[in-house]
Amino acid sequence: DAKTTQPPSMDCAEGRAANLPCNHSTISGNEYVYWYRQIHSQGPQYIIHGLKNNETNEMASLIITEDRKSSTLILPHATLRDTAVYYCIVRLPAYSGSARQLTFGSGTQLTVLP
Amino acid sequence: NAGVTQTPKFQVLKTGQSMTLQCAQDMNHNSMYWYRQDPGMGLRLIYYSASEGTTDKGEVPNGYNVSRLNKREFSLRLESAAPSQTSVYFCASTLYTDTQYFGPGTRLTVL
Repeated sequence: DAKTTQPPSMDCAEGRAANLPCNHSTISGNEYVYWYRQIHSQGPQYIIHGLKNNETNEMASLIITEDRKSSTLILPHATLRDTAVYYCIVRLPAYSGSARQLTFGSGTQLTVLP
Repeated sequence: NAGVTQTPKFQVLKTGQSMTLQCAQDMNHNSMYWYRQDPGMGLRLIYYSASEGTTDKGEVPNGYNVSRLNKREFSLRLESAAPSQTSVYFCASTLYTDTQYFGPGTRLTVL
């Protein structure tokens, strides 16, 4: 899996967009960018993933730069329940025969403020 | 859909006791995983089952055994619990796409 770098912490005002950056400058051509989050004392939760195009689902949007060396997870209208540690993971998809273990780095602690 | 369920939610054991953590998923997923998470640390894979009938060791398998009972259920057994196994245990499952869905966890304390 490619190495990722995330800021250790960020604050966001409730109702505003939360933009969480991730640097993955050593990403290879067929590695995907995955985002998970872990709310305190709960199991990790899958958010979104993408290869090179921007992606959107009901939870968030993922913006990947054209050179694929960085990405941004956007929570469009953050709520207090979005306070969590957010993890950016870069890895080959399972069908490539890669290891299936999810390795979480230290992530970004997002605190949504009222 | 209940997703991934785990039992029990909490457990306290004495050193040397045994127990089985249960995990079930109702999403018809092929692969299932057991992780542990120690305070302030990331997830570490204990065992995984790529498909029904197969199991493989992960990063930290010592002291554990697993059984993939059927497609839905994947259990983790501690034969002789040790204080070093005090942790939060998460079960996860996935279909093909490598997006893993996690259960709520079992908080285990070994005295």
